[in-house]
Amino acid sequence: GDSVTQMEGPVTLSEEAFLTINCTYTATGYPSLFWYVQYPGEGLQLLLKATKADDKGSNKGFEATYRKETTSFHLEKGSVQVSDSAVYFCALQPGSGNNRLAFGKGNQVVVIP
Amino acid sequence: GAGVSQTPSNKVTEKGKYVELRCDPISGHTALYWYRQSLGQGPEFLIYFQGTGAADDSGLPNDRFFAVRPEGSVSTLKIQRTERGDSAVYLCASSPGPQVQETQYFGPGTRLLVL
Repeated sequence: GDSVTQMEGPVTLSEEAFLTINCTYTATGYPSLFWYVQYPGEGLQLLLKATKADDKGSNKGFEATYRKETTSFHLEKGSVQVSDSAVYFCALQPGSGNNRLAFGKGNQVVVIP
Repeated sequence: GAGVSQTPSNKVTEKGKYVELRCDPISGHTALYWYRQSLGQGPEFLIYFQGTGAADDSGLPNDRFFAVRPEGSVSTLKIQRTERGDSAVYLCASSPGPQVQETQYFGPGTRLLVL
């Protein structure tokens, strides 16, 4: 079935460093792709989304491009801040009337000053 | 405006007991979703309502789990004969309508612990 795979393990980096979190997906149709973020003590929030191939989603300095040829939706930010410390989840929505979200396991990101 | 709210925020129960978890979606949202998040995992889909009816309940793990949304607003997730493996955070989300690609807005979750 439709699924999302995120890179293993937490990510620790220094303030102003470049962040990449890898996400690949498996889907039979033409899914929409999402990144959700969970800040400490808060609920899941949509960070960005892309609904078709080659679309780029962006928000708060984060970007991700929907790559059909590599079935990927990697999240990037050029210069992270301590306030970006959170858990990041990649997710897909299969489409064709199927509204459920399928999430990856998430990546904990810790930004140290 | 108010977001999705869930009550209780925490629930501790004993194995074999019955529990109810409540979700209040954003006002006017017709689509409502339940997910379950185990420790260290991403949320897993349980059930989706469009209005009062369950449009997709294929994620419910077994017949101990049941959900209702009788008036098309508030929803209750019901778990019978709870087991320790049911311990997780139960998340509710809502979206404005049934269209695919609409953003789902999540509540803070109910943390269920079965002893």
